[in-house]
Amino acid sequence: RKEVEQDPGPFNVPEGATVAFNCTYSNSASQSFFWYRQDCRKEPKLLMSVYSSGNEDGRFTAQLNRASQYISLLIRDSKLSDSATYLCVVIARNRDDKIIFGKGTRLHILP
Amino acid sequence: DAGVIQSPRHEVTEMGQEVTLRCKPISGHDYLFWYRQTMMRGLELLIYFNNNVPIDDSGMPEDRFSAKMPNASFSTLKIQPSEPRDSAVYFCASSARGGAGELFFGEGSRLTVL
Repeated sequence: RKEVEQDPGPFNVPEGATVAFNCTYSNSASQSFFWYRQDCRKEPKLLMSVYSSGNEDGRFTAQLNRASQYISLLIRDSKLSDSATYLCVVIARNRDDKIIFGKGTRLHILP
Repeated sequence: DAGVIQSPRHEVTEMGQEVTLRCKPISGHDYLFWYRQTMMRGLELLIYFNNNVPIDDSGMPEDRFSAKMPNASFSTLKIQPSEPRDSAVYFCASSARGGAGELFFGEGSRLTVL
């Protein structure tokens, strides 16, 4: 099983719709989780951290399910500008504190 | 404030040539990371430094790759000799808190080896 797995997509979603995607991780020692966004031919940028109790930032909601070892990102009222690749990041709090990026989920918001 | 600065932005070279990529991290950041991104493999960590010291280089693909950080404001990633399979976008990122904090990426160096 890969350390971090994401559905590559693409998710083609009409503007205004709600979309959600998950990211699964294999290391139960993982303790820190993030979502990054990467626009086409640009660098990744932090979108939001993922807290144990779940957290919201405007139209974006991130959740963590430790029992099933996945994190999720939900986008409400999607905008054209949300079109991007969303990368999940998992960090295991062991000696190396290894940072693992998922390969990303591509999202296309359709007008 | 200046972000992470990488150079060159684009490089096209022939197989067997030496390639040197450069990175200037954000001032005050103690951690510096080198990543490689391809469609097939996604974003892979090659090596990272803490306070200029290499901490984990297990992601460096082979001896053709080397990285240095002679001071807090400069790092290089060198490929010698380069091969076509090294073609990728190479990102440098810096962080004030290692993996616990946000990684700030440079714009990347797009390498094409013919």
